[in-house]
Amino acid sequence: EPEVTQTPSHQVTQMGQEVILRCVPISNHLYFYWYRQILGQKVEFLVSFYNNEISEKSEIFDDQFSVERPDGSNFTLKIRSTKLEDSAMYFCASSESFRNEQFFGPGTRLTVL
Amino acid sequence: AQSVTQPDIHITVSEGASLELRCNYSYGATPYLFWYVQSPGQGLQLLLKYFSGDTLVQGIKGFEAEFKRSQSSFNLRRPSVHWSDAAEYFCAVDVGNTPLVFGKGTRLSVIA
Repeated sequence: EPEVTQTPSHQVTQMGQEVILRCVPISNHLYFYWYRQILGQKVEFLVSFYNNEISEKSEIFDDQFSVERPDGSNFTLKIRSTKLEDSAMYFCASSESFRNEQFFGPGTRLTVL
Repeated sequence: AQSVTQPDIHITVSEGASLELRCNYSYGATPYLFWYVQSPGQGLQLLLKYFSGDTLVQGIKGFEAEFKRSQSSFNLRRPSVHWSDAAEYFCAVDVGNTPLVFGKGTRLSVIA
């Protein structure tokens, strides 16, 4: 069964460093998403991506964040200068079409020290 | 703004007992509705979804949910809980102009 994969599973970084979280969505899906879940809190939407551009983003997704689909398979989330409050589980998701069910990856746990 | 309320933070049930997890949403029209499950250290797995039609939907692992428009609710049910059902359950809505909005989740513990 096709699935969304994410690497790494756990990333530890120092405050101020750049991190790139990687995702491989399901191959025939066209819509891609990043969500995050701070420990003990709910899952929050960050950004959606379609047709090689951001289709929607939340207030959380400020200038420190960027997304890219560098090739036909990967979808990345970059945080330029990490802050302590960026520590969270980051989930990538993909869907076949608009408003269709989203399939989530296992997540990357980001720890900022 | 749209919101999703899961009033129960933590529920403990005995194995074999029935389960109902509550979810209410705040939105004028009928959104698309989803239940996801998150096992410890795992990602989010879709249990079931409601887009339209029959208000009682069946999902994986023996779960079902009923959409009640009059109550703006989409409660998840399982007739007989198994120990492996212990996990965090999230209700989510898609109102069309934004991606998924999640509730805060309900943690389910199962005791023998």
